[in-house]
Amino acid sequence: KAGVTQTPRYLIKTRGQQVTLSCSPISGHRSVSWYQQTPGQGLQFLFEYFSETQRNKGNFPGRFSGRQFSNSRSEMNVSTLELGDSALYLCASSFAGGKNTGELFFGEGSRLTVL
Amino acid sequence: GQQLNQSPQSMFIQEGEDVSMNCTSSSIFNTWLWYKQEPGEGPVLLIALYKAGELTSNGRLTAQFGITRKDSFLNISASIPSDVGIYFCAGPTGGSQGNLIFGKGTKLSVKP
Repeated sequence: KAGVTQTPRYLIKTRGQQVTLSCSPISGHRSVSWYQQTPGQGLQFLFEYFSETQRNKGNFPGRFSGRQFSNSRSEMNVSTLELGDSALYLCASSFAGGKNTGELFFGEGSRLTVL
Repeated sequence: GQQLNQSPQSMFIQEGEDVSMNCTSSSIFNTWLWYKQEPGEGPVLLIALYKAGELTSNGRLTAQFGITRKDSFLNISASIPSDVGIYFCAGPTGGSQGNLIFGKGTKLSVKP
């Protein structure tokens, strides 16, 4: 079973630009969550999508957005990039069809550097 | 807001030693999760705990769900070099599967 795939793995942007990150969940998983990981703040929840609908959103500004497609693939977008947006962005998928086990399957992440 | 406090922040141990780390919260959690992240990888779930007082093992790893539901412990016995990584405790918040709050992690280094 293929794992969670995130693209691109690495990218460099400059302040003011925007970026789109992509995530393909494990086949059959309908929930996709996004997390930002930084040395200072650790792992922070951005948002979760289920059946193309945003189910939950973390405490991030509106510059951070996402969407989910009918095949469960998800994208997140960050507009007007700031230096502080430099981070590892992790996508996680889960089945979300039964008991809420808390088990998330993470991808390897997309490392964004903003110059 | 909710916060998970992990300690210690880092550990440097000799191969073969046992390791203990813990996680505390001011809020009650109904589920405690322990994840491990290795360099260049995303976190991987090690152990999930669903009941206060529960003690669960996964190979050399043992985790406990505190009776107060405000803490959890993870022990690693007879550590080996591949135990190196960052260990995170986590708990669900927001009522949905994908919304977890994570501790800041315990970075484990093992000297052969």
